[in-house]
Amino acid sequence: QVHLVQSGADVKKPGASVNVSCTASGYSFSSYAVHWVRQAPGHSLEWMGWINPANGNTKYSQRLQDRVTITRDTSASTAYMELTSLRSEDTAVYYCASVGIGDSFHIWGQGTMVTVSS
Amino acid sequence: DIQMTQSPSSLSASVGDRVTITCRASQSISRYLNWYQQKPGKAPKLLIYGASSLQTGVPSRFSGSGSGTDFTLTISSLQPEDFTTYYCQQSYTTPYTFGQGTKLEIK
Repeated sequence: QVHLVQSGADVKKPGASVNVSCTASGYSFSSYAVHWVRQAPGHSLEWMGWINPANGNTKYSQRLQDRVTITRDTSASTAYMELTSLRSEDTAVYYCASVGIGDSFHIWGQGTMVTVSS
Repeated sequence: DIQMTQSPSSLSASVGDRVTITCRASQSISRYLNWYQQKPGKAPKLLIYGASSLQTGVPSRFSGSGSGTDFTLTISSLQPEDFTTYYCQQSYTTPYTFGQGTKLEIK
């Protein structure tokens, strides 16, 4: 069965960085792009960026590109999302998702709650 | 960026009703339109991809249509588990933007 399993919830102080992992199982990790999406409480979904696990190529949201980095470790079938210089507005659930036909997000991780608070 | 506008933002209906949610893109996205269902505290679930293709395992009461800038999600006969929030998303070009969501409530 295809799964994406994310790391656990985290609490950070303003100005700190957070790293969220996303481990794939049940399929060839290198074959499908992994995207990151976040959702602030009570809000819609915001696309953050994606990585091609086969070659490590990435693309980021212009709004976040100065603060977000997505990497991968193919030997561990894991993608990582690092967000730096955290502020309260970054409090959100962070999701990874694997793409299917037409770049639809057909498999999602369970989500990781990141709280930024002093 | 392509803006995705859903309407209505909320909708009250009864079990057994037929409902339609609309999504409009700020420019043509061909048929690169996906629909997701999200229940509280859970990750979104893909319902429809490519504007009208039903994801495996999704009940046939869900259907999608449209192309270009205007799209619809229709639920033909609402079941109790369908009362939750729905999002459209364009995957035509990055950033892959989402609509603001439609909350479907029991009347």
